[in-house]
Amino acid sequence: DGGITQSPKYLFRKEGQNVTLSCEQNLNHDAMYWYRQDPGQGLRLIYYSQIVNDFQKGDIAEGYSVSREKKESFPLTVTSAQKNPTAFYLCASSIQGLAKNIQYFGAGTRLSVL
Amino acid sequence: DQQVKQNSPSLSVQEGRISILNCDYTNSMFDYFLWYKKYPAEGPTFLISISSIKDKNEDGRFTVFLNKSAKHLSLHIVPSQPGDSAVYFCAASVLTAGNMLTFGGGTRLMVKP
Repeated sequence: DGGITQSPKYLFRKEGQNVTLSCEQNLNHDAMYWYRQDPGQGLRLIYYSQIVNDFQKGDIAEGYSVSREKKESFPLTVTSAQKNPTAFYLCASSIQGLAKNIQYFGAGTRLSVL
Repeated sequence: DQQVKQNSPSLSVQEGRISILNCDYTNSMFDYFLWYKKYPAEGPTFLISISSIKDKNEDGRFTVFLNKSAKHLSLHIVPSQPGDSAVYFCAASVLTAGNMLTFGGGTRLMVKP
């Protein structure tokens, strides 16, 4: 059945380490997004991609990097430059164009620092 | 500056009664609004949406009201059920500006049996 799969569910990062969060969708959606949620707060946009091989920075892109080599995949790398990476990370996708802007979310990855 | 605000961080309601969750926005360009429901450790799920050409949209127990002049929308849940206990996020977008959503901070709803 169609959906968005994020892995792993839990991830631990050592200081100075880069870690990569996986996001795969089989909904045939063109657009994909990465959000960060901190406790008691809303979702903040990290990066988004509206088409393969193209992506743009969101509101809090510093310390993160992405790639979009395939339509189905939009991995997020949390680099060592991100000094406060502990958060719940959510990936989403949507159809592109002037359709109603409904984004569909994965189950999330919780990242903690060791 | 938060463009979408949910001023009540939490709300407690008795089962069977009405739950009213509120959301305010500042950007007059927003023309499409959505509500998402989120359980702990899960991703948000889409609940209901409304376009700025309407002032009300209903889906079962859920109704969203939009007051453009006040830049205010609300989600009504009637009757409330214990399974509705979750965090509710409102989100807004400009349809002609792509698929970007701006989210509020969320309201935690607790429905007591």
